[in-house]
Amino acid sequence: QVQLQQSGAELVRPGSSVKISCKASGYAFSSYWMNWVKQRPGQGLEWIGQIYPGDGDTNYNGKFKGKATLTADKSSSTAYMQLSSLTSEDSAVYFCAREGITTATLAYWGQGTLVTVSA
Amino acid sequence: DIQMTQTTSSLSASLGDRVTISCSASQGISNYLNWYQQKPDGTVKLLIYYTSSLHSGVPSRFSGSGSGTDYSLTISNLEPEDIATYYCQQYSKLPWTFGGGTKLEIK
Repeated sequence: QVQLQQSGAELVRPGSSVKISCKASGYAFSSYWMNWVKQRPGQGLEWIGQIYPGDGDTNYNGKFKGKATLTADKSSSTAYMQLSSLTSEDSAVYFCAREGITTATLAYWGQGTLVTVSA
Repeated sequence: DIQMTQTTSSLSASLGDRVTISCSASQGISNYLNWYQQKPDGTVKLLIYYTSSLHSGVPSRFSGSGSGTDYSLTISNLEPEDIATYYCQQYSKLPWTFGGGTKLEIK
């Protein structure tokens, strides 16, 4: 079965960067788009972007260009998202989610990674 | 960007009720509309894709409908495990966007 296991919670300083991971199992990692979604405390969901591990192709929400960088390592079936120049506005839970029947249908979700930006 | 609006942010209903959650788009999205459920523990699941298609393993008491700019998710015969927040998501145009969510509670 499809499983997405995300890395643990992070406490990071303002101005720094953080890289969170999403290890996939149970399917052909290279063949499906992986999406990333942000959820601030008590707020709704916001799509950050997606990556196709097979060739590294990406699509970003313009709001997150320069903030988020998506990569994927086919050898370990792991997707990564690096967030840079962190501020309190970046404190949130970040989810990875694999496409389903369409590239924009987020059929399988990770458990989420909490990133807290604080001095 | 296409704005997705869920005008009802919270909804209270009784077990066994039929519940309808609405979502509207700022422009026509040609049925490119998904619904997700987020449980209180944060777990997110896909319920419905392309307006009315049921995702694998989702109970048949969930259904979706709509067209143009207006869409809805219906839960017939509300059960305790349906307590969650429900989000719509459009995928007509990038960037994909979500509604603000409707929190469903038991009366």
